[in-house]
Amino acid sequence: GQNIDQPTEMTATEGAIVQINCTYQTSGFNGLFWYQQHAGEAPTFLSYNVLDGLEEKGRFSSFLSRSKGYSYLLLKELQMKDSASYLCAVSPNPGGYQKVTFGIGTKLQVIP
Amino acid sequence: NAGVTQTPKFRILKIGQSMTLQCTQDMNHNYMYWYRQDPGMGLKLIYYSVGAGITDKGEVPNGYNVSRSTTEDFPLRLELAAPSQTSVYFCASFIEAGNQETQYFGPGTRLLVL
Repeated sequence: GQNIDQPTEMTATEGAIVQINCTYQTSGFNGLFWYQQHAGEAPTFLSYNVLDGLEEKGRFSSFLSRSKGYSYLLLKELQMKDSASYLCAVSPNPGGYQKVTFGIGTKLQVIP
Repeated sequence: NAGVTQTPKFRILKIGQSMTLQCTQDMNHNYMYWYRQDPGMGLKLIYYSVGAGITDKGEVPNGYNVSRSTTEDFPLRLELAAPSQTSVYFCASFIEAGNQETQYFGPGTRLLVL
């Protein structure tokens, strides 16, 4: 089976750095996705990690440790527009997307 | 490219009515998916398709049907609407290029069944 855990809510201050953690226990693992979803909107793709380590894309970075079943999304220089839910999702095998399991998401509130 | 488009944006149905949620993508992706998202819950896969003429059930297929006659279109059919089908429905397409997988979501359809 698949189990993905992430905190339900987080609050951080504008201009600060926040780390959103995701742990997973899955029957297989190919890669891990992070998405951003603003209230009332569709999820948008942020990153996909297959190998261990940190991948940086501008203000957003994503880290993966396959041996620990752990990932985090790091948001730097927080802006008010970063207030959104952040979804972690695991792809258990390559080729296709049909077995991807989503976490319930972490709702991030950025305050002035 | 318009990406993934969905219609309608919002719909109210009475119990027992039927409707089709439309989804179209212009990126020539083979893989397409239908999800539902309930408040406080993760996205749940309803049906998916790996190419024209090929569909299969996801995690929560009961009460729904799909077809995939073309690469572009992947409609979702509700035959007998029930209050439990009140949700936000997202269509998505997927592409795998080398080691990178990326997918795109449509804007969603909000469905209320009364």
